[in-house]
Amino acid sequence: SQTIHQWPATLVQPVGSPLSLECTVEGTSNPNLYWYRQAAGRGLQLLFYSIGIGQISSEVPQNLSASRPQDRQFILSSKKLLLSDSGFYLCAWSVMGGPGPNEQFFGPGTRLTVL
Amino acid sequence: GENVEQHPSTLSVQEGDSAVIKCTYSDSASNYFPWYKQELGKRPQLIIDIRSNVGEKKDQRIAVTLNKTAKHFSLHITETQPEDSAVYFCAARKYNFNKFYFGSGTKLNVKP
Repeated sequence: SQTIHQWPATLVQPVGSPLSLECTVEGTSNPNLYWYRQAAGRGLQLLFYSIGIGQISSEVPQNLSASRPQDRQFILSSKKLLLSDSGFYLCAWSVMGGPGPNEQFFGPGTRLTVL
Repeated sequence: GENVEQHPSTLSVQEGDSAVIKCTYSDSASNYFPWYKQELGKRPQLIIDIRSNVGEKKDQRIAVTLNKTAKHFSLHITETQPEDSAVYFCAARKYNFNKFYFGSGTKLNVKP
């Protein structure tokens, strides 16, 4: 069966510091991968998605970036964090669009607090 | 692109009553509609989904209905229990597309 991992689970960082969040998926190959951010009490904001190694689509202009160095690894980064980057970061995966299964599954999330 | 709207934003019901959450979508090419439940501090969990070739799907106390003509779909929870209290999100996905479009969420409170 497929599982999705994220780390770290929680993170407290000062403003202006760098960020690296990692997501890995097991039990599937060539998944679509997604990064979402959820501010406290709010909805899901899609940040990036990827359909393959090195293929990243950015949804919202900001000081974050994403990379996919391996098929089942997705990394979210920042060179300098802002206070507004605080939130709950969720990685998710799905199979490629088409006639087959369409479900999207979320990782356990990383709670980031920028002080 | 697709636009998914979700109502109400908050819903309070008495234990044992039914709860209904509604979503509308704008793109008639959308063909897959999942519902997620998110408990406080946890990840969203897929609870039920429906594809555009069916009008209704049930799983115990949970059901989803889809009206393709009107472009809306609804989540129905019967005999609500306190553990149903959570935020529920609807979403839509188009055939052969890779993005999911989410509603803004409904906070359901089931009062014992």
